[in-house]
Amino acid sequence: AQKITQTQPGMFVQEKEAVTLDCTYDTSDPSYGLFWYKQPSSGEMIFLIYQGSYDQQNATEGRYSLNFQKARKSANLVISASQLGDSAMYFCAMREGMNSGGYQKVTFGIGTKLQVIP
Amino acid sequence: GAVVSQHPSRVICKSGTSVKIECRSLDFQATTMFWYRQFPKKSLMLMATSNEGSKATYEQGVEKDKFLINHASLTLSTLTVTSAHPEDSSFYICSAPRGFADNEQFFGPGTRLTVL
Repeated sequence: AQKITQTQPGMFVQEKEAVTLDCTYDTSDPSYGLFWYKQPSSGEMIFLIYQGSYDQQNATEGRYSLNFQKARKSANLVISASQLGDSAMYFCAMREGMNSGGYQKVTFGIGTKLQVIP
Repeated sequence: GAVVSQHPSRVICKSGTSVKIECRSLDFQATTMFWYRQFPKKSLMLMATSNEGSKATYEQGVEKDKFLINHASLTLSTLTVTSAHPEDSSFYICSAPRGFADNEQFFGPGTRLTVL
């Protein structure tokens, strides 16, 4: 089974509008972390936001917020006031075993390509 | 934020040759680094976990003898693609966590390998 599922291969959004990128995950580990990364055409992976499984509140970082619904195992990324520079691939990722010590690997979804329209 | 560098950023080589890619953590020590491979318009696939002072841990299906990993110091890990073939052409990205309390993995800018 896929650990991270992103069902939107591509999304369009009008500039200045908000957009939600979907992500669902699958884990039996009670301790995990969820990430969103942005990858522009240059290839670099840019960290956007992090949500821990025990965090009570949804994470926010500027125009980015993570809509964390633990029971539904979803971690959607919301980008408010979209800008042309937001056009990129967006990857949802998960790290399991946060309490087991050491560095646990991060598993990535297949990504969503976001295009912001002027 | 912390910085991770990769060298070279692009490399073109002939089939049969070996290529070494370096991953450096510039302002922190990384006992663990991760190597990923990304095909065009695809996700990042973890290849191996590089551990300073010990052998790398490879993911299932990754050939250890083909993708040699050496974590020479606390700031340097190298990935050597041996006897490269055109199907090894890909985008290789390394990442390093800065600390146990750090929620972020810092990624290098990636290396685009083209094997002719």
